[in-house]
Amino acid sequence: AQSVAQPEDQVNVAEGNPLTVKCTYSVSGNPYLFWYVQYPNRGLQFLLKYITGDNLVKGSYGFEAEFNKSQTSFHLKKPSALVSDSALYFCAVRAVMEYGNKLVFGAGTILRVKS
Amino acid sequence: NAGVMQNPRHLVRRRGQEARLRCSPMKGHSHVYWYRQLPEEGLKFMVYLQKENIIDESGMPKERFSAEFPKEGPSILRIQQVVRGDSAAYFCASSFRDSENNEQFFGPGTRLTVL
Repeated sequence: AQSVAQPEDQVNVAEGNPLTVKCTYSVSGNPYLFWYVQYPNRGLQFLLKYITGDNLVKGSYGFEAEFNKSQTSFHLKKPSALVSDSALYFCAVRAVMEYGNKLVFGAGTILRVKS
Repeated sequence: NAGVMQNPRHLVRRRGQEARLRCSPMKGHSHVYWYRQLPEEGLKFMVYLQKENIIDESGMPKERFSAEFPKEGPSILRIQQVVRGDSAAYFCASSFRDSENNEQFFGPGTRLTVL
């Protein structure tokens, strides 16, 4: 069964410093990986996805993620954090089912960027 | 191009009442997914529908919950005889195709509170 783990409930970083939000996954077959961000009382916004190709994927708002097959990881990164990046971040894997392709989400990581 | 729309944004019901949540997918999208987010948890898949068909309802509780996506009009998630444990945020997502590399676009969610 497909699963996603986000080992950190919360990540704190100072504005201007690099940030990393960790994600590991378990999936049978090829992994299709996604990052979403959720601001308070809002829906999820798509950040980036890995389907195939380069292991470093670039997404919205300056975020990027590195796919590491041997470590089954897909960590989200940003070189220089902004206070406005503070939000809840979800890693997800696409579960290829017999009928349809649902997303399996991690529990989420709260990112707090302090000025 | 309007995004995924959900209404109402907030819904308060007393125990035993019915809750109806509506979702209008993005224009051109015929695949709809419902997810539930319990407090301080990640999103959990509930059901996947195409027009007039339920494709995968493996995440739906067996009783009291139903979903539909008629030929005309929005998708409806219906919860009968609500209980306090149904209090959660319910998110709808849509996609153009149900393929592995198509991201799902999420609506702002309906926050259901059961008194």
